[in-house]
Amino acid sequence: GESVGLHLPTLSVQEGDNSIINCAYSNSASDYFIWYKQESGKGPQFIIDIRSNMDKRQGQRVTVLLNKTVKHLSLQIAATQPGDSAVYFCAENFSNSGYSTLTFGKGTMLLVSP
Amino acid sequence: ETGVTQTPRHLVMGMTNKKSLKCEQHLGHNAMYWYKQSAKKPLELMFVYNFKEQTENNSVPSRFSPECPNSSHLFLHLHTLQPEDSALYLCASSQAQGRGNTIYFGEGSWLTVV
Repeated sequence: GESVGLHLPTLSVQEGDNSIINCAYSNSASDYFIWYKQESGKGPQFIIDIRSNMDKRQGQRVTVLLNKTVKHLSLQIAATQPGDSAVYFCAENFSNSGYSTLTFGKGTMLLVSP
Repeated sequence: ETGVTQTPRHLVMGMTNKKSLKCEQHLGHNAMYWYKQSAKKPLELMFVYNFKEQTENNSVPSRFSPECPNSSHLFLHLHTLQPEDSALYLCASSQAQGRGNTIYFGEGSWLTVV
């Protein structure tokens, strides 16, 4: 069936390094993708999104890359900080009857050590 | 402050109890959602309300009963739950129309069924 999944369950990096979190999706009809960050004890927080008519989008210290050919999404975090430690989810968005429904992957735990 | 407020943040209830989770959004959105987050599982969509009308029930057991009195408020009524229902219950909201509508989450209600 259609699904959104993550390649790596845990990623450990040193403070100051760049982090790359990957995500694969299988629904070629999806046209909107979102990355969320979830810190311990909190709800998912929107980080950045990208639409399928784009290959790259940059935010503050974060970049999302979309490769539609291989149905792959990645989140790059520059100069990773301890406060970036969290679980990161990619989500696939498609509409049905005028409302939005997100399908989430399992998440990747990012651990940043000082 | 996410614009989506959930209460209570923590709830412990017995299997014979009846309790309710409350969600309020201050974002002017027209769609509201309940998600369930269990350990080691992806976020699971439970219910969707669009302009106060329930548009999706994702095969949720009847011991969970949603209520949406208006576009800003959403409840999840709980009765005769099972220990396996213990999880983080997340409320979310989004604009109702069109694709690419970002979903914003509350901080969640931690439910423990004993």
